[in-house]
Amino acid sequence: SQQGEEDPQALSIQEGENATMNCSYKTSINNLQWYRQNSGRGLVHLILIRSNEREKHSGRLRVTLDTSKKSSSLLITASRAADTASYFCATDAWNTDKLIFGTGTRLQVFP
Amino acid sequence: GAGVSQSPRYKVAKRGQDVALRCDPISGHVSLFWYQQALGQGPEFLTYFQNEAQLDKSGLPSDRFFAERPEGSVSTLKIQRTQQEDSAVYLCASSLVRHRGIQETQYFGPGTRLLVL
Repeated sequence: SQQGEEDPQALSIQEGENATMNCSYKTSINNLQWYRQNSGRGLVHLILIRSNEREKHSGRLRVTLDTSKKSSSLLITASRAADTASYFCATDAWNTDKLIFGTGTRLQVFP
Repeated sequence: GAGVSQSPRYKVAKRGQDVALRCDPISGHVSLFWYQQALGQGPEFLTYFQNEAQLDKSGLPSDRFFAERPEGSVSTLKIQRTQQEDSAVYLCASSLVRHRGIQETQYFGPGTRLLVL
C-alpha cells in the first residue's frame, strides 16, 4: 500500500502560471523526493530534501518539507507546456532503501 | 552514460503463461529495485537487491513472483501463471549503495508494460 497522498489529483493551468502540489505521508522519514513521469515513460528524479531541511530550490522548482505535519509541497514556477506530466512524492525511512510513493498529481499545462 | 534499460517494453501474455522481465542497471550501481505501477497509481515496491543478495522481497504480492540477480548486475523478474491482476507497468531502478546513512538517488528505467489477457 502507498504511504503518501497527494493533492490535487489533477491540476490544469496556463503556461506561465505557477503550479503547487502537496504530499502527505504517514511515518517518520529519512528523505523525501519528488519524481516526474511523462506519459508512458519512466520516472525522472527532480529533487531530494532531507528530513532536517525545510526548503530546497532547483531551477524553477521549490520544495518545502514540514516534518511536524508530515507534509511536503512542490512548487513549479513559470510553468511550461513541457512540464505536463504526473508528479509523485516518494519517501524512505532510516532502515530501508525502498521508496514509498504517493498517488501522484497529474499536471496539465496549456500553451 | 547509458541509463537503466528494460526489456521487453511491452508484453502481452495469456492468463496462466509465465513471463520474464529483464532489467539492465546503470554500470557500477550496487542497488537494484523492482516496482509495480498499476494504471493511475504510484509505483509500489516489490523487491530490492544489493549486488546479488536479495535483501528485501516484502513487496512481492505472491509466490508466483520471483526475482533474481545472480551476478550482481542484470536482474530478471519472473511471474509464473500470470493472472489478469498482474497487468501493470513493472519499473526497475538502480542506485549507488547507501553511504553513511544517506540514500542515493534511484534512477528508473522506462518500464515493461505487461498486459495479461
